[in-house]
Amino acid sequence: SAVISQKPSRDICQRGTSLTIQCQVDSQVTMMFWYRQQPGQSLTLIATANQGSEATYESGFVIDKFPISRPNLTFSTLTVSNMSPEDSSIYLCSVEQGDSYGYTFGSGTRLTVV
Amino acid sequence: AQSVSQHNHHVILSEAASLELGCNYSYGGTVNLFWYVQYPGQHLQLLLKYFSGDPLVKGIKGFEAEFIKSKFSFNLRKPSVQWSDTAEYFCAVNTAGGADGLTFGKGTHLIIQP
Repeated sequence: SAVISQKPSRDICQRGTSLTIQCQVDSQVTMMFWYRQQPGQSLTLIATANQGSEATYESGFVIDKFPISRPNLTFSTLTVSNMSPEDSSIYLCSVEQGDSYGYTFGSGTRLTVV
Repeated sequence: AQSVSQHNHHVILSEAASLELGCNYSYGGTVNLFWYVQYPGQHLQLLLKYFSGDPLVKGIKGFEAEFIKSKFSFNLRKPSVQWSDTAEYFCAVNTAGGADGLTFGKGTHLIIQP
């Protein structure tokens, strides 16, 4: 299965600032997904990113707050903008690899907003 | 939209006990079903998945799950658990044939006592 590298692995940020999270995959993939895992909660899909098109956001998530870039088939970024303590979560990227592997997840970025 | 319900949020078992974790989904169409495991401090790993065919699916580490369409269920089982099975377990679903991300259940925190 694909290997996904996420950077940074963790960060502590001041409220009102923005953080960009990078997701690098070791193979070309069509679909990339971004999830949020709030403390003690399950994973919630933020958006789906296809190369060459705008990301598709799930209900409750907007582009102004979580802008996403997908410049090529192996890379994507998620920015958490104008952060507040409620944005403290683990953010994960994921790729879909067809029937053989299903969905693979990165190790996540643990974000704390103070 | 799909939803996933995991009945047991915390389960405590002794080593060698049998395990069954419940998962029900809500969706009117055909779905793909997944179980993921998250060991302490590690990222999500795929345990097993069901796309079609034999409803009894065998996964890694001795886990299996049975898809019962009439009950909208996909329960996870293991005949004899080990201390190393202590982890968070997530059931997830997406639309069969689609290109969408996963909808996760709230997770079950499993603790195995030696």
